[in-house]
Amino acid sequence: GEDVEQSLFLSVREGDSSVINCTYTDSSSTYLYWYKQEPGAGLQLLTYIFSNMDMKQDQRLTVLLNKKDKHLSLRIADTQTGDSAIYFCAETTSSASKIIFGSGTRLSIRP
Amino acid sequence: GAVVSQHPSRVICKSGTSVKIECRSLDFQATTMFWYRQFPKKSLMLMATSNEGSKATYEQGVEKDKFLINHASLTLSTLTVTSAHPEDSSFYICSASAGGYNEQFFGPGTRLTVL
Repeated sequence: GEDVEQSLFLSVREGDSSVINCTYTDSSSTYLYWYKQEPGAGLQLLTYIFSNMDMKQDQRLTVLLNKKDKHLSLRIADTQTGDSAIYFCAETTSSASKIIFGSGTRLSIRP
Repeated sequence: GAVVSQHPSRVICKSGTSVKIECRSLDFQATTMFWYRQFPKKSLMLMATSNEGSKATYEQGVEKDKFLINHASLTLSTLTVTSAHPEDSSFYICSASAGGYNEQFFGPGTRLTVL
């Protein structure tokens, strides 16, 4: 079956890098996503990666995919207070016609 | 581009009443719209998928008579929570896609509180 797991909380110091990790179970993943949700708001797509890629970089964001271990990570360089939010890992697979979300990681920034 | 709006953003209603939530794609034609429910500190749960002009496909465990979905045009889908009860209180989020489930654009969500 499909399952996406993330740790619930992460706290980092302003200016440091944040690394949010995610594991998934379905090896037939096609796309893997990272979404950001600010308080009381909907989801904003941050970035996505095709399952045949290992890495994708977009400004401060770096996504790493380890298909063998079914592990996805999102690195945010130079974390700012505006990065405080819940980050959802998600996937689509060849078997499920929908996006499957993890439970979200709440990122908090300390001065 | 790819903006999705929801209305209302927040609604409080009495138990037993029905509430309608609108989801609009503002700058593109959405052949498919999705409705999600998000519980506090939980992930998004897909409730149903609707294609314009046809009946919605509901996920297992979601009551279709309780959560009525209409997708009458390429820019508008509505979710009606019928005879709402306090356990229906939640954050409802819609998304819209012009080309399948891989690329969805999300609305800002509607907070429903049933007293």
